[in-house]
Amino acid sequence: EADIYQTPRYLVIGTGKKITLECSQTMGHDKMYWYQQDPGMELHLIHYSYGVNSTEKGDLSSESTVSRIRTEHFPLTLESARPSHTSQYLCASSPRSSYNSPLHFGNGTRLTVT
Amino acid sequence: GESVGLHLPTLSVQEGDNSIINCAYSNSASDYFIWYKQESGKGPQFIIDIRSNMDKRQGQRVTVLLNKTVKHLSLQIAATQPGDSAVYFCAESYNAGNMLTFGGGTRLMVKP
Repeated sequence: EADIYQTPRYLVIGTGKKITLECSQTMGHDKMYWYQQDPGMELHLIHYSYGVNSTEKGDLSSESTVSRIRTEHFPLTLESARPSHTSQYLCASSPRSSYNSPLHFGNGTRLTVT
Repeated sequence: GESVGLHLPTLSVQEGDNSIINCAYSNSASDYFIWYKQESGKGPQFIIDIRSNMDKRQGQRVTVLLNKTVKHLSLQIAATQPGDSAVYFCAESYNAGNMLTFGGGTRLMVKP
């Protein structure tokens, strides 16, 4: 079972609303990530963090913002949702290491903006 | 930019047969590769990884093969079971701590 939790699992919301997708991990991992994924398609990195008070934008441009006030928590916020934001959002974490290591993923939030 | 891709979008196999899922990568500097399995409604689940100083690594019923000469990665699943039905992604990175780049998925369908 995953030790990384995302809420809500599903969200349907109207255009213009502000939303926050929650992500928490209990593994004490320093690194956390947000990916955007359309069904069956590859994952695109939109934000990442190497630790508390560290946030960076990923390869895919996104209108969302993130914060990292606590090690275990990495929420993603959309100030004004649009239909183009409809997608699945996956949160992941990994330990800080001098070697590459696998990412641990949550089960995602499927967002639909009407 | 550099990319990772898969040859076959859908693979259908008979239960009990062996499955082979292929992946091509274009960054010759990549030194770490991972296979993930993603079931419907779930996040990607780590299956197996391999570093570029190896050409083969085995796990439980799975084997990953790395051919750096042709920049090709494959995942072999022995005695495929219905529970193996999912979308499989390969991902690569270069330099320790660098971001993973994911390719498009291959859907594996297991026929009973």
